[in-house]
Amino acid sequence: EDKVVQSPLSLVVHEGDTVTLNCSYEVTNFRSLLWYKQEKKAPTFLFMLTSSGIEKKSGRLSSILDKKELFSILNITATQTGDSAVYLCAVHYSGGYQKVTFGIGTKLQVIP
Amino acid sequence: NAGVTQTPKFQVLKTGQSMTLQCAQDMNHEYMSWYRQDPGMGLRLIHYSVGAGITDQGEVPNGYNVSRSTTEDFPLRLLSAAPSQTSVYFCASSYLGSGNTIYFGEGSWLTVV
Repeated sequence: EDKVVQSPLSLVVHEGDTVTLNCSYEVTNFRSLLWYKQEKKAPTFLFMLTSSGIEKKSGRLSSILDKKELFSILNITATQTGDSAVYLCAVHYSGGYQKVTFGIGTKLQVIP
Repeated sequence: NAGVTQTPKFQVLKTGQSMTLQCAQDMNHEYMSWYRQDPGMGLRLIHYSVGAGITDQGEVPNGYNVSRSTTEDFPLRLLSAAPSQTSVYFCASSYLGSGNTIYFGEGSWLTVV
């Protein structure tokens, strides 16, 4: 069965801490892995990863994919209260028709 | 710059009623999909489509119908609403193929009483 598993499910950190969020997957015909941030409304796009070992970076956020071990990590350095959100991992694959499956998400709370 | 447009934003239904959630995109995306989001369950795929006339079931299709008569529109029909269908619904679209971002609508909050 195709699945996307995120860990931890929730996390509470202090401002300035560095956090690492994990996403592992088991799918047929992997195409890409996507990270989203969700704050009480529609998810907003962060990163898309298609190749192993190439880090994507945007400010304090970075992500990398390991296609051999079937996982990705999302790092956030020097966390701020504005980083508090649910972070969703999604995998685009083609078991049958192409489709996209999401993990449950990691709820991050950054406290001052 | 419409992107993905969902209507209605909020709806209250009585058990047994039917309704349609509308979704339209103006980006000529082949792929469109519907998700529901419940606390602790993440985004679960209901139905999806890879082009006009082609639809398939996702993870939680029971109680929902879809059709894709045009590239732009992908309505989701609740045939006989049940309290278990109380949820937030998101429509999403993208181009097919690797390396394409998924765009989300703003969400539709549905309560079935």
